[in-house]
Amino acid sequence: EPEVTQTPSHQVTQMGQEVILRCVPISNHLYFYWYRQILGQKVEFLVSFYNNEISEKSEIFDDQFSVERPDGSNFTLKIRSTKLEDSAMYFCASRGTAQETQYFGPGTRLLVL
Amino acid sequence: GENVEQHPSTLSVQEGDSAVIKCTYSDSASNYFPWYKQELGKGPQLIIDIRSNVGEKKDQRIAVTLNKTAKHFSLHITETQPEDSAVYFCAAARSGAGSYQLTFGKGTKLSVIP
Repeated sequence: EPEVTQTPSHQVTQMGQEVILRCVPISNHLYFYWYRQILGQKVEFLVSFYNNEISEKSEIFDDQFSVERPDGSNFTLKIRSTKLEDSAMYFCASRGTAQETQYFGPGTRLLVL
Repeated sequence: GENVEQHPSTLSVQEGDSAVIKCTYSDSASNYFPWYKQELGKGPQLIIDIRSNVGEKKDQRIAVTLNKTAKHFSLHITETQPEDSAVYFCAAARSGAGSYQLTFGKGTKLSVIP
């Protein structure tokens, strides 16, 4: 069964450093998402992406965040200058055309020290 | 924006008993309500979903009910088994407009005691 994959599974970084989280969505899906889950809290929407541009973003997704689909398979989330409060589990999700179901990857646990 | 409240935050049941998790939503325009199961160290996995034109949906031991007037929906798991132990999240979205972003509840940690 097709699945969303994410790398790395864990990332530790120093405050102020840049990180790139990578996702490979399900191959025929066209809608892509990033969500995050701070430990013990609810899953929160960050951004959605379609047709090579952001379609919606939340208040959390400020100028230090960016997304990119650098090739036909990868979808990345870049955090330019990490802060302590960026420590969270980041989930990528994808959705097919004319479908409502979003399929989630296993997540990347980011720890900012 | 949408706000989803979920109760209870933790739930313990004996194996074989039923479990019920309830959610309310605030945006009357929301019309798609999925339920996700998250096991330790894994991403959320869809277990069932319901659209606002349907009042109830069942899939084997799992059922979801929706009351649009009251803006609440519930997950029912019957004949619970130890492997049902996980965190369950409800969510709401507006389909047909924008990106279908999901607004999640805070989650319910279900423990099934053998």
